[in-house]
Amino acid sequence: GENVEQHPSTLSVQEGDSAVIKCTYSDSASNYFPWYKQELGKGPQLIIDIRSNVGEKKDQRIAVTLNKTAKHFSLHITETQPEDSAVYFCAASQGTGGFKTIFGAGTRLFVKA
Amino acid sequence: EAGVAQSPRYKIIEKRQSVAFWCNPISGHATLYWYQQILGQGPKLLIQFQNNGVVDDSQLPKDRFSAERLKGVDSTLKIQPAKLEDSAVYLCASSRPGAGTEAFFGQGTRLTVV
Repeated sequence: GENVEQHPSTLSVQEGDSAVIKCTYSDSASNYFPWYKQELGKGPQLIIDIRSNVGEKKDQRIAVTLNKTAKHFSLHITETQPEDSAVYFCAASQGTGGFKTIFGAGTRLFVKA
Repeated sequence: EAGVAQSPRYKIIEKRQSVAFWCNPISGHATLYWYQQILGQGPKLLIQFQNNGVVDDSQLPKDRFSAERLKGVDSTLKIQPAKLEDSAVYLCASSRPGAGTEAFFGQGTRLTVV
């Protein structure tokens, strides 16, 4: 079946360093790629998303890149802060309204002060 | 705007018992999702509604799980009978209809089956 692979499963960085999380997807029909941050005891919250007609998107310290040919997309967080510590999920969906959304297994990010 | 509301927050039941979860989506959001999140994994879509119609329930274990969304607003997810492997967080999310729209998640219901 369709799937989304996410790496690494755990990432530890020093405050101020950059963090990179990578995902690959299998469904060539996927056209929307959101990234979610989940803190303990809370539901996932969207932090950035990218659509298939765009190769890169940036929002302050967060950027996402998409390579549709290779079916890869990545999350880049620069100047990391302790409050960035959380679990991050990538996802891929196709169609309208999030139809067939598949999540990656998650990356637990630790930012050490 | 008010977020997605879910209840209860926690539930502990014995295997073979039944349980129900409730979700109230953000006002005006026609699309509603139920996800199952097992500890250490990403959310897995169980069912998606557009208004009160089912868009996708391909991963819903229909022999024991059921869901409804009466009047296209609130939704309930039921498990009957529960199994140990159903222990998970059940997340409800909602979004406006349309391609690539943000899904807003509730805090979830943590179910423990003993």
